[in-house]
Amino acid sequence: AQSVAQPEDQVNVAEGNPLTVKCTYSVSGNPYLFWYVQYPNRGLQFLLKYITGDNLVKGSYGFEAEFNKSQTSFHLKKPSALVSDSALYFCAVRDNNFNKFYFGSGTKLNVKP
Amino acid sequence: SQTIHQWPATLVQPVGSPLSLECTVEGTSNPNLYWYRQAAGRGLQLLFYSVGIGQISSEVPQNLSASRPQDRQFILSSKKLLLSDSGFYLCAWSPGQGLYGYTFGSGTRLTVV
Repeated sequence: AQSVAQPEDQVNVAEGNPLTVKCTYSVSGNPYLFWYVQYPNRGLQFLLKYITGDNLVKGSYGFEAEFNKSQTSFHLKKPSALVSDSALYFCAVRDNNFNKFYFGSGTKLNVKP
Repeated sequence: SQTIHQWPATLVQPVGSPLSLECTVEGTSNPNLYWYRQAAGRGLQLLFYSVGIGQISSEVPQNLSASRPQDRQFILSSKKLLLSDSGFYLCAWSPGQGLYGYTFGSGTRLTVV
């Protein structure tokens, strides 16, 4: 069965500092991994995905994620956080029959000025 | 371009009343369609998904049902709402083929009173 885990319920970072939101995965077969962001009372927005190729994936709003097969991780990163990055972030894995996604429990990112 | 519409944005319903939430997608054909529920502003629970007209897969047995009467229309229903049905309901779509992510609707905040 496919699953992802987000071990941190909340991440606090000061504006201008680098941020990391952690995600680990458990899949059978090739992992297809995604990050989404959700602002209050809104739907989720796609940030980036890893299907194959380079382990460092670049996405929207300056975010990037590093795929690490040996550690089964797909951590979301940004070199310099903005207050406007404060939101709820979800890691997700797409299962091998392509019809369903499984989401992590979400990590609330707080960026303080 | 493809767009997804979900309505209403907010809904307050008494216990025991019926429910109908609608989701439509424009600009694509034969999409995969999904209903998720997000409780307490956190984890996403997959409720139903559909890969074609009249084809509904239920992930969690409960008080809700889904229907897909047209290719790009997905409806979430209940005959009698329970207090526990309160939550934020999200519709999403993805192309029928390929390793794509979801595109989410803007969500419906349902409060059962």
